[in-house]
Amino acid sequence: GAVVSQHPSWVICKSGTSVKIECRSLDFQATTMFWYRQFPKQSLMLMATSNEGSKATYEQGVEKDKFLINHASLTLSTLTVTSAHPEDSSFYICSAIKAGSSYNEQFFGPGTRLTVL
Amino acid sequence: AQSVAQPEDQVNVAEGNPLTVKCTYSVSGNPYLFWYVQYPNRGLQFLLKYITGDNLVKGSYGFEAEFNKSQTSFHLKKPSALVSDSALYFCAVRPVFSGGYNKLIFGAGTRLAVHP
Repeated sequence: GAVVSQHPSWVICKSGTSVKIECRSLDFQATTMFWYRQFPKQSLMLMATSNEGSKATYEQGVEKDKFLINHASLTLSTLTVTSAHPEDSSFYICSAIKAGSSYNEQFFGPGTRLTVL
Repeated sequence: AQSVAQPEDQVNVAEGNPLTVKCTYSVSGNPYLFWYVQYPNRGLQFLLKYITGDNLVKGSYGFEAEFNKSQTSFHLKKPSALVSDSALYFCAVRPVFSGGYNKLIFGAGTRLAVHP
């Protein structure tokens, strides 16, 4: 159990367009989900924490109007990159905490590679 | 500031030899400690965790890690490396008090290369 999926796995878009990435917990309910971005050969940088039914909490330096997060249900969180630019090209990874788990460990999705032309 | 250090960008080891990937942390209290592995263009896969108890933790794929409180270290080990172990390894720490959101602090990652 505890499988997290992301869709799409990769996306290429033109500069100025918006892109939506979905993160789903397939076999559990997730009260909290996290969004990370990872640049080549670098570590994961936490962008925001998403709690079901409430506004996301963004890390310092992350533009909330640029990266819109919606956590409308206990199994789905979405990240929308608005007016994407080439510098937004990155690998985006989500994770989810299983509701009721003993140690609140995070289960990670497979990631979404975004390329902005 | 709270941080996790993986001092080696890359570790090279011959297949069949033991491997160690180092991790030290600077976090107050008694944090939870994790190791994850990442293959190219994939998300993170959980290897093992330390919460409390025995300092030697056994995890997936024959990996283990040793928690050393005095040295604030959590080194990942495997007695006999496989070529298929070649990947990027991340150490992560969850401070006991992480603002209520269970945030993880990641190290920079260590690339493990196992040569035949």
